[in-house]
Amino acid sequence: GENVEQHPSTLSVQEGDSAVIKCTYSDSASNYFPWYKQELGKRPQLIIDIRSNVGEKKDQRIAVTLNKTAKHFSLHITETQPEDSAVYFCAASGTYKYIFGTGTRLKVLA
Amino acid sequence: DSGVTQTPKHLITATGQRVTLRCSPRSGDLSVYWYQQSLDQGLQFLIQYYNGEERAKGNILERFSAQQFPDLHSELNLSSLELGDSALYFCASSPGTGGSEQYFGPGTRLTVT
Repeated sequence: GENVEQHPSTLSVQEGDSAVIKCTYSDSASNYFPWYKQELGKRPQLIIDIRSNVGEKKDQRIAVTLNKTAKHFSLHITETQPEDSAVYFCAASGTYKYIFGTGTRLKVLA
Repeated sequence: DSGVTQTPKHLITATGQRVTLRCSPRSGDLSVYWYQQSLDQGLQFLIQYYNGEERAKGNILERFSAQQFPDLHSELNLSSLELGDSALYFCASSPGTGGSEQYFGPGTRLTVT
């Protein structure tokens, strides 16, 4: 069935370094790829998204890249800060379903 | 605040019982999605409704059911509760059926004792 693989499951970086989280999806019909940040006990919050007709999108320190041929998309966070520490989920969406990745726990060390 | 509301915030109940979780989507959104998140786990998609009709089903147990009402609010019914049903249940809404921004409510934390 459809699935989204997300790696790594945990990631520790030094403050100021960059972090990269990668996802691979299986459903060719997917055309919308959001990223969510979830702090402990809180709701997932949309931080950036990209559509299938775009290869890259940037919003300040956050960027997302999409390779439709390879069915890969990635989240890049530059100049990481302690408040970036959270769990990040990728997702792939087509006509109806949103399929979420298993999450990446990012820890930014001060 | 995402504009999606969920009640109750917390729910503690015993095994074998039945509970109802409620969700009101953002103004103008027609789709409602339900997710289950167990401790330190990912988001498991349960079910989606669009404008009152069921549109997609995920890993939803037969003991669980949902519906979306004419005013677009949705209810998730969980019956014959088991300890393993303890989790955070999130509702999310979006304008269309898919391929668009999805916004999450604050969640209902269910504890089954």
